[in-house]
Amino acid sequence: QKEVEQDPGPLSVPEGAIVSLNCTYSNSAFQYFMWYRQYSRKGPELLMYTYSSGNKEDGRFTAQVDKSSKYISLFIRDSQPSDSATYLCAMTPGGNEKLTFGTGTRLTIIP
Amino acid sequence: DAGVIQSPRHEVTEMGQEVTLRCKPISGHNSLFWYRQTMMRGLELLIYFNNNVPIDDSGMPEDRFSAKMPNASFSTLKIQPSEPRDSAVYFCASRRRTDMGSQHFGDGTRLSIL
Repeated sequence: QKEVEQDPGPLSVPEGAIVSLNCTYSNSAFQYFMWYRQYSRKGPELLMYTYSSGNKEDGRFTAQVDKSSKYISLFIRDSQPSDSATYLCAMTPGGNEKLTFGTGTRLTIIP
Repeated sequence: DAGVIQSPRHEVTEMGQEVTLRCKPISGHNSLFWYRQTMMRGLELLIYFNNNVPIDDSGMPEDRFSAKMPNASFSTLKIQPSEPRDSAVYFCASRRRTDMGSQHFGDGTRLSIL
């Protein structure tokens, strides 16, 4: 079993819809949780960063962490075609250690 | 500021040849990571350096793979001899150690071994 599980999709939703992306993990030592966005033929870029449990909001994006369930989510409100990309979750026990990535969910927003 | 710069962007070569991938991290960043991305396995960490010193190379698949970081502004990942199963996109990322968890990625080298 992988340490981090992520549904690869693909996921297609109409423009303006709310998108929910999720990851589950098995290592209870993970404390730092990140979401990266990767456009086609580009490297991943950091989108959201959360420490421990709770919610964090940045514009149309909200990241949630539930450590008791070992489950993290990324919500995208008012989705736009420019949000079409692959979204990867990542996590680490400590901020200075290597990241463990999910395999990514491919998202398409249909105009 | 310039981002992480990788070269070449694409590489096509025949099985058995030596392949060298290059990376220039962001100035001031003191951690450097090499990843491999495939459809089947996703993004896998191969090796990472702190202050030019290799810290963890447990992800390096075989002795055919080697990585060096001779100074703070340059790193190489070498495959010798290359095999078709090495075909993947290879990413380099760098980070300032005080930036908790935030890694900055280059745009990758798309490697095809025929």
